[in-house]
Amino acid sequence: SQQGEEDPQALSIQEGENATMNCSYKTSINNLQWYRQNSGRGLVHLILIRSNEREKHSGRLRVTLDTSKKSSSLLITASRAADTASYFCATDASGAQKLVFGQGTRLTINP
Amino acid sequence: GAVVSQHPSWVICKSGTSVKIECRSLDFQATTMFWYRQFPKQSLMLMATSNEGSKATYEQGVEKDKFLINHASLTLSTLTVTSAHPEDSSFYICSAEKGLNEQFFGPGTRLTVL
Repeated sequence: SQQGEEDPQALSIQEGENATMNCSYKTSINNLQWYRQNSGRGLVHLILIRSNEREKHSGRLRVTLDTSKKSSSLLITASRAADTASYFCATDASGAQKLVFGQGTRLTINP
Repeated sequence: GAVVSQHPSWVICKSGTSVKIECRSLDFQATTMFWYRQFPKQSLMLMATSNEGSKATYEQGVEKDKFLINHASLTLSTLTVTSAHPEDSSFYICSAEKGLNEQFFGPGTRLTVL
């Protein structure tokens, strides 16, 4: 079952602006990961944040994790047209081997 | 690196036929692989966990007799959709586990059942 919920479901912004996507989950986790998926393609791993971490950066990506609120956010700064894709969070629940994906956010960057 | 491939990348078949999809870890060994299904504009839904040398573990609601999984080696898992019907048309994605809870995803297979 899907435990992750993401908002917004769709986001459309102008190139150069920042994009923020949120993810909430229900159970305790070992880590939370963010993936990107271009239309009809496989998943590209973006970043992993462990349950004992609060913030992580990778290039133009910034991920935060609030385990007390069971939520995470992905910030993409200075967006580019090539960032247009669907973004999914996935949680690796404590004691479980499998990943559970959120519903995803469809991000459109307008040139 | 950690590269996972899938074959075929797309397949069209007639209703009632069976289709086999392969998932390979190219540069690492994977005791565990996972099979997901994704309908258009939806998220990935885990179908089953494939363990090398043992039976797959299916998620609730997934018919094990319809979606046959074989994980005969540490680099190959196969998913066979038996007696496929149009409602089985979907994007099937596999992942392979490398190390502790680190999954690497294949590029997906687009199945269209006519």
